[in-house]
Amino acid sequence: EAGVAQSPRYKIIEKRQSVAFWCNPISGHATLYWYQQILGQGPKLLIQFQNNGVVDDSQLPKDRFSAERLKGVDSTLKIQPAKLEDSAVYLCASSFLDPGQGTEAFFGQGTRLTVV
Amino acid sequence: SQKIEQNSEALNIQEGKTATLTCNYTNYSPAYLQWYRQDPGRGPVFLLLIRENEKEKRKERLKVTFDTTLKQSLFHITASQPADSATYLCALNQGGKLIFGQGTELSVKP
Repeated sequence: EAGVAQSPRYKIIEKRQSVAFWCNPISGHATLYWYQQILGQGPKLLIQFQNNGVVDDSQLPKDRFSAERLKGVDSTLKIQPAKLEDSAVYLCASSFLDPGQGTEAFFGQGTRLTVV
Repeated sequence: SQKIEQNSEALNIQEGKTATLTCNYTNYSPAYLQWYRQDPGRGPVFLLLIRENEKEKRKERLKVTFDTTLKQSLFHITASQPADSATYLCALNQGGKLIFGQGTELSVKP
């Protein structure tokens, strides 16, 4: 079974530029998550999709971050414009069921973003 | 406010000993709690899930306990090996979301 695929693996941009990350979850997984992980901290949930609907985006800085999940499968996360504090690893994960049903999440390798 | 707290200090132990990691939570009422392992440069990998009506769960050298009265989960690795060195994250579900603690770094010395 193929895992969660993310691209790119690394990205360096200047502040105020824009960047996009792509995620392809495991086939058949209804729930898709985007997490931000700053060095030395745990993953922070940015947005969670159930199929192609948003379950929670309360911690997504909506003035600069946006995300969509196309046809309930692939997802993209965009930052525009980027700030220095956005430097982090962006992790995509998916799960077969929603978290309320006690399902494990499968993570991709992440995209390491450096904003200079 | 809602918080998930894990041992903030890195845990250093000798090979063969038992490692015990703590996860405490405040103002959550999770139906279950999960533990993940994360290696440098990689995404977290699921290890164990324990439900609120289970006191203890085991998998090979791993054991997890869940005390809903103390609002605490303990994660044990017995007969630890250098290969167990990693960061361990606890996660719980709340309101349909999967929320993570900050993780504890474990280092097992030969």
